[in-house]
Amino acid sequence: DAKTTQPPSMDCAEGRAANLPCNHSTISGNEYVYWYRQIHSQGPQYIIHGLKNNETNEMASLIITEDRKSSTLILPHATLRDTAVYYCIVRLLQGAQKLVFGQGTRLTINP
Amino acid sequence: GAVVSQHPSRVICKSGTSVKIECRSLDFQATTMFWYRQFPKQSLMLMATSNEGSKATYEQGVEKDKFLINHASLTLSTLTVTSAHPEDSSFYICSALKALNTGELFFGEGSRLTVL
Repeated sequence: DAKTTQPPSMDCAEGRAANLPCNHSTISGNEYVYWYRQIHSQGPQYIIHGLKNNETNEMASLIITEDRKSSTLILPHATLRDTAVYYCIVRLLQGAQKLVFGQGTRLTINP
Repeated sequence: GAVVSQHPSRVICKSGTSVKIECRSLDFQATTMFWYRQFPKQSLMLMATSNEGSKATYEQGVEKDKFLINHASLTLSTLTVTSAHPEDSSFYICSALKALNTGELFFGEGSRLTVL
């Protein structure tokens, strides 16, 4: 079962920062927070992952609270192509642990 | 990033026939692959874990005799939907585990099955 809670939908204006929240209050100490997104009729795309420190890459930033019970994915300058369903998932880093998807957040970027 | 390819991307078949979907890791070897199914406006549902050289592990409620999984090589896993019916129409997605120590997972583009 998915161990995360996300709002079902969000809207954001093009060019603005999109902040997507995720609650994972039952996360264990060695579980990482992963973010994937799925554009319509495509396979999921990896965005970013982190353990407890904030992470940034070319796609996004990940802010994890100190107690690790929640996190926020930030798309700094959203474009229309960022319209997708965003999934927050917790899992172990190592090993063959499966990814269990929740319902995700449907992000719509408006022109 | 690594590339995972699925084939076919779209397939239409008649009720009662069997359909095979291939999942290939093009530039890495994957001892473990996962198969998901996704219905319209729903999330991905894990069907099974495919391990090279051994039997697949199916999630609860997934019929192993209906959804046959074969992982015969380190770069290829196949999902065969046997005796397909219209309710099997769905988007099937595979993912491949690139490395155990980093947990890197890469997804295929998905295969849309329509059963008439």
